[in-house]
Amino acid sequence: EAGVTQFPSHSVIEKGQTVTLRCDPISGHDNLYWYRRVMGKEIKFLLHFVKESKQDESGMPNNRFLAERTGGTYSTLKVQPAELEDSGVYFCASSPGTNTEAFFGQGTRLTVV
Amino acid sequence: GQNIDQPTEMTATEGAIVQINCTYQTSGFNGLFWYQQHAGEAPTFLSYNVLDGLEEKGRFSSFLSRSKGYSYLLLKELQMKDSASYLCACLDGTALIFGKGTTLSVSS
Repeated sequence: EAGVTQFPSHSVIEKGQTVTLRCDPISGHDNLYWYRRVMGKEIKFLLHFVKESKQDESGMPNNRFLAERTGGTYSTLKVQPAELEDSGVYFCASSPGTNTEAFFGQGTRLTVV
Repeated sequence: GQNIDQPTEMTATEGAIVQINCTYQTSGFNGLFWYQQHAGEAPTFLSYNVLDGLEEKGRFSSFLSRSKGYSYLLLKELQMKDSASYLCACLDGTALIFGKGTTLSVSS
């Protein structure tokens, strides 16, 4: 069974550019989460989808970040325009239920220069 | 506020036992998770405690005291491959609130 996959694994972009990260959850998992780890800090929650609906987006830092999950399958997280402080590792996770183990992807390392 | 504390680093030798402590203060609590993360890899699930007490799974055990806001992860018969970061995380609603992680170095 394939795990959670994320694309790309690394991305280096210039300040002001746009980047779109993609996450393919484990098949059949209705719950999909985005997290971010900024260097030196803890992993922080960004948002939670249940199927195609945003259940909780309280962790989204600002309106430069847009997450979508059309059709309730894969999800994208777009940063537009990117700022230096957006650099970090963006993790996606999925789970079959809300109070169960979340399976994480390997993350996308985003570097904004 | 949300706060999860765990030691930054720990060292141990092969075959030994190590206990990684975690204290937490969160606005909501639906359970406590421990994840293992090797450098450059995905965090992988180790354990989940929602009730007080000890959960044992092979060489790894996890303990929870909700009244004290305290958990620990116990690793027995340490192996070199156990060198990794260990993340304590509380489930608040449906979001995981993570600590900064404890980097464990196992030497021979």
